[in-house]
This record gives sequence, C-alpha cells and structure tokens, in this order.
Amino acid sequence: AQSVAQPEDQVNVAEGNPLTVKCTYSVSGNPYLFWYVQYPNRGLQFLLKYITGDNLVKGSYGFEAEFNKSQTSFHLKKPSALVSDSALYFCAVREGSTGFQKLVFGTGTRLLVSP
Amino acid sequence: GAVVSQHPSWVICKSGTSVKIECRSLDFQATTMFWYRQFPKQSLMLMATSNEGSKATYEQGVEKDKFLINHASLTLSTLTVTSAHPEDSSFYICSARDPTSGSTDTQYFGPGTRLTVL
Repeated sequence: AQSVAQPEDQVNVAEGNPLTVKCTYSVSGNPYLFWYVQYPNRGLQFLLKYITGDNLVKGSYGFEAEFNKSQTSFHLKKPSALVSDSALYFCAVREGSTGFQKLVFGTGTRLLVSP
Repeated sequence: GAVVSQHPSWVICKSGTSVKIECRSLDFQATTMFWYRQFPKQSLMLMATSNEGSKATYEQGVEKDKFLINHASLTLSTLTVTSAHPEDSSFYICSARDPTSGSTDTQYFGPGTRLTVL
C-alpha cells in the first residue's frame, strides 16, 4: 500500500529566504505525486503534480518540487518565501497504475513565514 | 481551473438530527467525487468515493448507514450525516476528479464544511 511521510510538523522561514517542505513516499509502482496547500478553514488548493518527465515540476504561486526516485522524495520548494505562503501543506501520492487509485495524504506540514 | 463548491460552509446542529452537505463541480462534470474528513491538526481521511449513478464505495471503518452519500448528477454529490452526535463534529471536505486530466486523477477540492454537533 502506498504511504506518504512529511517528517516536519512545522517549518519556519523568514520572508525572502528559500523554503523547503519535505515529503517522502512509498508505492509499489510508479508514483503520481501531488502537493496541496490549505489555508485556515478552507479546502485544499492544488499546487503541482509529478506524473512523468522532468524531475523538477513547477506549479502555482512560484512553488516547485523535485522528484527524486532514488531517495523516494518529492520536496516542495520556493526560492523566496512570502508571508502569505504561511499555510498547511499536504503531500499526496497514488500509484500510477491503470484504473482509479485513491490519493493518500501525508500528515501535513505547517509553514510559517515571518516578516 | 476546475472549481468545486460546498454548501453550507458551516453548520451547527443538535445531537440526533441529520445534516446534509452538498458538493458541486461548477465548471466541469465529475463522474467521481470524494468525501474526506479532517480532524483538527490532522490529515485528510478518505471516507468514501462517490460515483455518479451508482452506490458509493466506503472506506474501511466508515459507517455507510450513518454517512449517506448520493451522487445523482454529474455535478452534485451530497453527504448526509444521520443522527449526528458530538463525535461527528469535524471538517468535511469533498473533492471532484476532473476527467479531462486523463489518468492523472487530479482532484480539486471544495472549501470544506465545518460541522458542529451540540
């Protein structure tokens, strides 16, 4: 069964500094990987996904993520953090086989960007 | 991008009553919708997968008689929490799969419904 680990409950970064939110995954086949962001009392907003192709995926709001097969990681990154990036970030994975496979979410990482 | 709405955004009800939550895909037809439950400071837990015109598929441990799901059209799925109790208080989030995304199963999420049972 697939699983996702987000090892950090919270990440603190100063505005303007680069940020990284970590995610590692486990699937038996090829992974489809996703990052979502959640603001307080709101649903999840899709940021980006990796299906195949380039290991560096660019998404919304200047975020990007790097797929690393050997380390089974899909860390979320942004070169310069904004205070408005403060939110809860979820990594999710599904196995890339035929037919529907449900998404499995990590426990979430709270990003706090200080002015 | 694909937009999913939920109604109501929050609801407070008395113990023993039933509450219906609606999930709509606004600019696409969703053959499959999903219902999640999120406890404070925790991740999303998939409750059930709702397929248009057929019975929902419930995850292990989710009571199908308590959480009734109906997916009567390609743009609407409803979750009814029957005989709600305080332990059912939670944040309920729906998502819809955009079929134009092919096999990548990108899900688009609604804004969530906060249910408080007194």
